[in-house]
Amino acid sequence: DTGVSQDPRHKITKRGQNVTFRCDPISEHNRLYWYRQTLGQGPEFLTYFQNEAQLEKSRLLSDRFSAERPKGSFSTLEIQRTEQGDSAMYLCATRNRAYNEQFFGPGTRLTVL
Amino acid sequence: DQQVKQNSPSLSVQEGRISILNCDYTNSMFDYFLWYKKYPAEGPTFLISISSIKDKNEDGRFTVFLNKSAKHLSLHIVPSQPGDSAVYFCAASGAGNQFYFGTGTSLTVIP
Repeated sequence: DTGVSQDPRHKITKRGQNVTFRCDPISEHNRLYWYRQTLGQGPEFLTYFQNEAQLEKSRLLSDRFSAERPKGSFSTLEIQRTEQGDSAMYLCATRNRAYNEQFFGPGTRLTVL
Repeated sequence: DQQVKQNSPSLSVQEGRISILNCDYTNSMFDYFLWYKKYPAEGPTFLISISSIKDKNEDGRFTVFLNKSAKHLSLHIVPSQPGDSAVYFCAASGAGNQFYFGTGTSLTVIP
């Protein structure tokens, strides 16, 4: 499977714990996006990487959220001191420089108890 | 503020008929528009796109129409098939790298 993969697919955690999600992009895609999606809403932009550089961050991305893409390949999204309001589907999408179309991974569903 | 809006949360259509999904946007700087389809427990899948220099793009059963003056786009599916039942999101982007998504329309195609 050469699509975008995300791990884990589901995560249940207690409030106050830290969680980390991973996204592995399509190999030739140098642009990577993280989104959050809650029930009844469309994906909301969180942050964008071009290669290893984090070029844009949404104001939705509070200081408890951090994302990295250390070698311009896979990316991680960490949420510290999780809150119940962080419960959502976290989606990763990638694209290459030639096209505007993004390809999404299956998402990580986070539940904060 | 929601820059991309899909005002119909759901739509039901008989198999074989046309499905028309609508999307409105507010930012006149948007120049690229996309439609995605999403099944439960999966990420969105790219369906079709259109640049602002065009007013129509067709791909098989799917056609996207863009009306820049009205800031409106629509997705036509003809003929509709039961496998088309999914949530459809429209998205828009401009000069930056952000993509803005609507809230989705759940399409049900009745056999």
